[in-house]
Amino acid sequence: GENVEQHPSTLSVQEGDSAVIKCTYSDSASNYFPWYKQELGKRPQLIIDIRSNVGEKKDQRIAVTLNKTAKHFSLHITETQPEDSAVYFCAPDTGRRALTFGSGTRLQVQP
Amino acid sequence: GAVVSQHPSRVICKSGTSVKIECRSLDFQATTMFWYRQFPKKSLMLMATSNEGSKATYEQGVEKDKFLINHASLTLSTLTVTSAHPEDSSFYICSARTGNQETQYFGPGTRLLVL
Repeated sequence: GENVEQHPSTLSVQEGDSAVIKCTYSDSASNYFPWYKQELGKRPQLIIDIRSNVGEKKDQRIAVTLNKTAKHFSLHITETQPEDSAVYFCAPDTGRRALTFGSGTRLQVQP
Repeated sequence: GAVVSQHPSRVICKSGTSVKIECRSLDFQATTMFWYRQFPKKSLMLMATSNEGSKATYEQGVEKDKFLINHASLTLSTLTVTSAHPEDSSFYICSARTGNQETQYFGPGTRLLVL
């Protein structure tokens, strides 16, 4: 099965700074790479995703980059705001089965 | 966007009783639904994959006789925790997707507390 590692486990930044979270995976068949944001007690919400035929995707302050050769993809948040504080999960998907979630990164944006 | 609901949102039960959790896709047909469990400050762990009209596929270590899954229609999957014990207390979340689309839509979760 898929082995997913996510780093760092916690990340504290000042408001306005950038945050980067990295996810490595093991299954070379993975072809879909989403990032989810989960606030305390709430459902995971898809914030951005990328497919294997694309190297980078950006949506306003959020971007995802993919390196299929090295089997890792990263979440980039620029101009962080306090409301970005949450737990972020990567969850690569082979398309044949359910998502395999990383261990999560707790992001704290200090005002 | 696609909406997935879950019911109940939270439930407290006595040890030894059974609890049923419903997961519904409200505005799309979900050919596949997934059930996850999340312990406090932990990640989501897949329990089983539920396919409409066929038996669910359970992940290693998940007892199929304890966690009964039924996906009787394209909009409803149910998870029944049988003979619940305190260690089953957790946050149970379902997700659904349709056809060959990769995007999964998550329900709001059900918080189960077994006394």
